[in-house]
Amino acid sequence: KAGVTQTPRYLIKTRGQQVTLSCSPISGHRSVSWYQQTPGQGLQFLFEYFSETQRNKGNFPGRFSGRQFSNSRSEMNVSTLELGDSALYLCASSFGGLETQYFGPGTRLLVL
Amino acid sequence: GQQVMQIPQYQHVQEGEDFTTYCNSSTTLSNIQWYKQRPGGHPVFLIQLVKSGEVKKQKRLTFQFGEAKKNSSLHITATQTTDVGTYFCAGRESGGSNYKLTFGKGTLLTVNP
Repeated sequence: KAGVTQTPRYLIKTRGQQVTLSCSPISGHRSVSWYQQTPGQGLQFLFEYFSETQRNKGNFPGRFSGRQFSNSRSEMNVSTLELGDSALYLCASSFGGLETQYFGPGTRLLVL
Repeated sequence: GQQVMQIPQYQHVQEGEDFTTYCNSSTTLSNIQWYKQRPGGHPVFLIQLVKSGEVKKQKRLTFQFGEAKKNSSLHITATQTTDVGTYFCAGRESGGSNYKLTFGKGTLLTVNP
């Protein structure tokens, strides 16, 4: 079974731009969660989607948004990028949301 | 909101020594999961503990869930260089449907051969 895939793997943007990251979960998994990982803050939960509905949201500003499509693929968008948004963005999929989280390789975003 | 604290932040050991990382939650957890992230990699699931006082073993790794379901530990016996990485605990707050997993900041383990 193919694992979780994320695209792109690396991204360089400048302040004020926006970015869209994509995540394809393991086949059959309907829950997708997004996390931001930084050296200082560790892994922080952004949001979780199941069947195209956001079920939980972390404490991030409204510049961070996401969506999920009918095939369970998910995207997250960050608008008006700030230097502090530089991080590794990880998505994780699971069957229903409460089980083992299978992480993708992440998208490393650098904001200049 | 829920906070999960993990100590120590770093641990350097000689190969063959034991290692323990501790996890404490500000709230009661429905379950706790442990993940390992190798340098340059992504978190990989190790185990999930659900019951109060539960102890699970995976070869040299022993996981415990506290009686109050607010703390947990991971103990590695006789570390090897392959154990290098960051170990994270992650908990779900008990009560209701909660799909948010709160991670500790992790313990970075380095092993000197």
